[in-house]
Formats: sequence, C-alpha cells, structure tokens
Amino acid sequence: DGGITQSPKYLFRKEGQNVTLSCEQNLNHDAMYWYRQDPGQGLRLIYYSQIVNDFQKGDIAEGYSVSREKKESFPLTVTSAQKNPTAFYLCASTPGTASYEQYFGPGTRLTVT
Amino acid sequence: GENVEQHPSTLSVQEGDSAVIKCTYSDSASNYFPWYKQELGKRPQLIIDIRSNVGEKKDQRIAVTLNKTAKHFSLHITETQPEDSAVYFCAASTADTDKLIFGTGTRLQVFP
Repeated sequence: DGGITQSPKYLFRKEGQNVTLSCEQNLNHDAMYWYRQDPGQGLRLIYYSQIVNDFQKGDIAEGYSVSREKKESFPLTVTSAQKNPTAFYLCASTPGTASYEQYFGPGTRLTVT
Repeated sequence: GENVEQHPSTLSVQEGDSAVIKCTYSDSASNYFPWYKQELGKRPQLIIDIRSNVGEKKDQRIAVTLNKTAKHFSLHITETQPEDSAVYFCAASTADTDKLIFGTGTRLQVFP
C-alpha cells in the first residue's frame, strides 16, 4: 500500500472543531486532489493542486482549506464552517494532468458529532 | 460545467453473465474517460480507460466503448465472477480545467 498514504484511517471530532487530514505521496507526482465520498453521490472534488504553492477550488470547496508547501504533501483542513463534514475523504495524485490514472490513498473516514 | 450521469445505480447478475454500465457526459471537449473499481472499504482503482481518439478498448474480460457523437461511454464485463462485485465509477476529463468529473457509481453484485 505504498505510494500515497492518508492518516488517520478513522477520525472523530466534536462539532465546531477544525481538523486536518494528512495526505502524503512518494510517487513524485505533480498533481494532487482531495475528494469527498458520500453514499450515492460518487466522488466530489474539494480542492486540487497541480504544482507546489498553488491550488484551485473544486466543486465543493466551501468549509475546507488546503496547502501545498511540499510536492509530496497536500493536507486538507475541514473547518467548523463545513455544514456536514461527516464523510469519507480520499486523496489522489497523478503524474501530470487529470488525463492520467489517479492513484488514490486509502481514505480517512471523518465523523463529527 | 461538465456533468457525468451513470446508470444503473445497482446491477445484479448471475455468475457468468455479462454486465454493462453506461455513462453520459456533457462536455464535448472531454477527451479522457477512465473507469474505477472500488471494493468495500478500499480505495478506487483504475481498471480501464479510453481516450477520445479510440472507439473501443479491451482488456481480457473488460471492455469500454466510446461514442463521441452521442457523448456516452460504457463498461462491459463478460463472464462475471463473484470477485467482480464492487462499486464502479466512470469519469470524464474537463477541457478547460484540469480535473475529472465522476459519475455517481454503480453497485454491481455477482451471485454465484
């Protein structure tokens, strides 16, 4: 399961707290992505980054923030402004553009109560 | 923006039968169409992909067909086996922004 890792696998937080999900890759990939997965809704893009120190909003960026200070790391912060944060979060990377295979991490299941 | 619709949402077949999952997309400039398989509790993994300059691609029991005029593409699994049971996602690339838009998934169950 090397290549792209996410931690922790399960995360529990109280409502109103910010939480940061980790995503690391050793594939030397330029592009990294964060998706949210809810039952029956497929994978929805939160943020993505094509190069270090640059990132773009995806389709559901509200209530989330990211940083890309290093090529291998793309952490996602779920803020208290996210109305319904409980979900399964997947990180992915590609060697270049989105028109290549996306390698996914194992995911983090976040539960906020 | 790009929209990808996937049908059916669930599909049950007998072992050995074929399974077909269909997706339509809205952006005529999309040029990359991957299919991912996600087993329960695991990460999605690419099983096959096709680019817009090709109409069909096959890999053993799995094939994908693309109709650019109609803007739809399909996944075909022949001689299904219980281990094919999973959720399958289609996706399409966007032309103006570097991202994939995923379908909502198809839960395939193969009964022995």
